[in-house]
Amino acid sequence: AQSVAQPEDQVNVAEGNPLTVKCTYSVSGNPYLFWYVQYPNRGLQFLLKYITGDNLVKGSYGFEAEFNKSQTSFHLKKPSALVSDSALYFCAVRDSISSGSARQLTFGSGTQLTVLP
Amino acid sequence: NAGVTQTPKFQVLKTGQSMTLQCAQDMNHNSMYWYRQDPGMGLRLIYYSASEGTTDKGEVPNGYNVSRLNKREFSLRLESAAPSQTSVYFCASSEAQVTSYEQYFGPGTRLTVT
Repeated sequence: AQSVAQPEDQVNVAEGNPLTVKCTYSVSGNPYLFWYVQYPNRGLQFLLKYITGDNLVKGSYGFEAEFNKSQTSFHLKKPSALVSDSALYFCAVRDSISSGSARQLTFGSGTQLTVLP
Repeated sequence: NAGVTQTPKFQVLKTGQSMTLQCAQDMNHNSMYWYRQDPGMGLRLIYYSASEGTTDKGEVPNGYNVSRLNKREFSLRLESAAPSQTSVYFCASSEAQVTSYEQYFGPGTRLTVT
């Protein structure tokens, strides 16, 4: 079975400072990893994904994420946070080798990011 | 392109009532999904349709049924609503290709069952 853990329910950071939102995962085979962002009363928006290749993945709005296979982590980062980055962030994983419903995305519980002016 | 659209945006039901949530996508995607979002629990998959003509259960299918009406439309039905089904429901779609597996989400339906 695949699973995702986002250990922090809430992350606060000052505007202009770097931010990190943590994610660890568990899958049977190679992982496909995703980050989504949700603004209030909106659906989820895709930010970035790791399928294969370079461990550092760049995505929308200046976000990036680093895949670390040995630590089974996929932390989301941004060098300089903006107040407009305040939102709910979800990490998701899909197993590359399972079949049926196990190949679907499994989401973490979400991390609320608040960027303070 | 409108992307993924959902109707209604809000709904209040009494226990035992039925309703259908509608979802449509205009991106020509093969796969469609229904999720529910509850505080502190992330998104949980209710049902999905890998392609037109097929549907499969996800993590939390009890109390729900689905219909993949055509390639564009995927509906979710609650036959006899229960307070435990109070949630925000999201529809999503994706291509089936590995390199473009990200899902695109609709704006959600906020359902309250009293």
